[in-house]
Amino acid sequence: DIVMTQTPLSSPVTLGQPASISCRSSQSLVHSDGNTYLSWLQQRPGQPPRLLIYKISNRFSGVPDRFSGSGAGTDFTLKISRVEAEDVGVYYCTQATQFPRTFGQGTKVEIK
Amino acid sequence: EVQLVESGGGLVQPGGSLRLSCAASGFTFSSYEMNWVRQAPGKGLEWIAYISRSGSTIYYADSVKGRFTISRDNAKNSLYLQMNSLRAEDTAVYYCARLSEARAYDYWGQGTLVIVSS
Repeated sequence: DIVMTQTPLSSPVTLGQPASISCRSSQSLVHSDGNTYLSWLQQRPGQPPRLLIYKISNRFSGVPDRFSGSGAGTDFTLKISRVEAEDVGVYYCTQATQFPRTFGQGTKVEIK
Repeated sequence: EVQLVESGGGLVQPGGSLRLSCAASGFTFSSYEMNWVRQAPGKGLEWIAYISRSGSTIYYADSVKGRFTISRDNAKNSLYLQMNSLRAEDTAVYYCARLSEARAYDYWGQGTLVIVSS
């Protein structure tokens, strides 16, 4: 199974400041079709998860451009350029390159 | 508007069974692969089952293999999860999630809570 490891697990951030979350996979996420099926989800308190980023760096419909994704192979990063109050929640990376699908442990973003 | 609405959760005794449903609307259900993902109280997300568009290909997490069965009825725009031999550790909110062509979980239901307890 591919293990997804996120760091940090908790990220206190000042409003308006940037935040960065790292996700490392135990194996390359490059699929035999050439795509890398790494995505990022946001889960606000009391809400279901919401898709932010797919295939490493593509923002999903309606996602603000302060969210960006980068990386390749086994190392990936989600960045929030300027954290807003509505960004509070838990962020998960997930891979769909191989079964079983796996998620990172989650990173809690909170306001200082 | 894409909507996924889960139902069927509740309190069940260990060893019991439950059938979850996910009603889909706002898109062509038969054109999308679907998944069940669960979240134990205060914990992270756990993928548990996948089904292809036609239902011919299915995968499970080891934690539920042999006990849970995913299925779909494209004529009824519905996804199901039959859960047997339930254990306390199956207590969780169960979400159905659509898989986009980019293999991302692009839409989620609100979830249905399953509590396994005597």
